[in-house]
Amino acid sequence: AQRVTQPEKLLSVFKGAPVELKCNYSYSGSPELFWYVQYSRQRLQLLLRHISRESIKGFTADLNKGETSFHLKKPFAQEEDSAMYYCALQGGSEKLVFGKGTKLTVNP
Amino acid sequence: NAGVTQTPKFQVLKTGQSMTLQCAQDMNHNSMYWYRQDPGMGLRLIYYSASEGTTDKGEVPNGYNVSRLNKREFSLRLESAAPSQTSVYFCASSTPSRGNTEAFFGQGTRLTVV
Repeated sequence: AQRVTQPEKLLSVFKGAPVELKCNYSYSGSPELFWYVQYSRQRLQLLLRHISRESIKGFTADLNKGETSFHLKKPFAQEEDSAMYYCALQGGSEKLVFGKGTKLTVNP
Repeated sequence: NAGVTQTPKFQVLKTGQSMTLQCAQDMNHNSMYWYRQDPGMGLRLIYYSASEGTTDKGEVPNGYNVSRLNKREFSLRLESAAPSQTSVYFCASSTPSRGNTEAFFGQGTRLTVV
């Protein structure tokens, strides 16, 4: 079974502080992992995918297979980072499963 | 380029009424999905379709049916709406490709069942 766990529903930080959004997954095979973001009044959109090993808007995420984690990090949060963040997993069946999301608020 | 289009954007139903949410994509994607988004519950998969002619249940399929009419369209039907189905519904599409998968979402349908 595919499962994604985001333990924090809400996360609040001050501008310029580091931020880490946690994501753990359960899947027996070799998954693809993603972070999606939903800004206020906008559609969900892809932020980054683990296989690309890219940095988008200053965010990075490293897949740790030993800990089955894919935490999202940014060293210096900005107010425009305030949004809902979803971790997602796609397994071999092509079913795309999301976590419950973390609402990030960056305070001035 | 329209991407993923959902209709309607808003709907109010009475308990027991039926309705169909429409979704169409113009990106030639194989896979399509229906999710519901509820506060504190995140995005839960209702049904998905890996290709034209196939559909599979997701996490919360009860009370819903789907039709993959063709490659472009994937509709979600509520046969007898219940207040518990009050939610925001999202359709998405993607073509899974190792290393290049990306799901594109519609703007959502806000459904209220009274």
